[in-house]
Amino acid sequence: EAQVTQNPRYLITVTGKKLTVTCSQNMNHEYMSWYRQDPGLGLRQIYYSMNVEVTDKGDVPEGYKVSRKEKRNFPLILESPSPNQTSLYFCASSRDPGATQYFGPGTRLLVL
Amino acid sequence: SQQGEEDPQALSIQEGENATMNCSYKTSINNLQWYRQNSGRGLVHLILIRSNEREKHSGRLRVTLDTSKKSSSLLITASRAADTASYFCATDNQGGKLIFGQGTELSVKP
Repeated sequence: EAQVTQNPRYLITVTGKKLTVTCSQNMNHEYMSWYRQDPGLGLRQIYYSMNVEVTDKGDVPEGYKVSRKEKRNFPLILESPSPNQTSLYFCASSRDPGATQYFGPGTRLLVL
Repeated sequence: SQQGEEDPQALSIQEGENATMNCSYKTSINNLQWYRQNSGRGLVHLILIRSNEREKHSGRLRVTLDTSKKSSSLLITASRAADTASYFCATDNQGGKLIFGQGTELSVKP
């Protein structure tokens, strides 16, 4: 089944404790991206990747890192999480940025 | 900065009525897409309209695109309670970024 998976789905952590949210797709898509969703602000793109080893900043990259060592995986890294990073995070993949995006189920993060 | 902005932010209608949502954007685009999100879930693609198209249909959905006004509209005809969700437009800016609007929250009352 074609899908985008994210782990964990729910995470509660404390300020400053490094964490990684994994994202994996099985559709051989070249384009992958991360979004955060906050009430009243819609989805804002954090980082995107056009292909392996090619990543670029979206609209809200501060406090986040990503890597794209393999085509299927695109982890989101919070080196030192802060409470303002409490949010709902989505990973998505597609053939290219203008094509249909396939979204993961989301990761709810609470930073205390 | 947000490129796509939806209007209205919230819409409440009765079952059977039509629902119209609008999206405006700021820069040149390759295409514009509409997505649906049920509460807290991942977004699901509804329809894509290319910059050289003016109108597109898919079932009860009708999308229009006016590149001169940098705007698009999504019409859902004969709405059902199951159409209750948030709807987002998304534009790709020809540089790799994909920008979503803030969404329209649609409530369809039975």
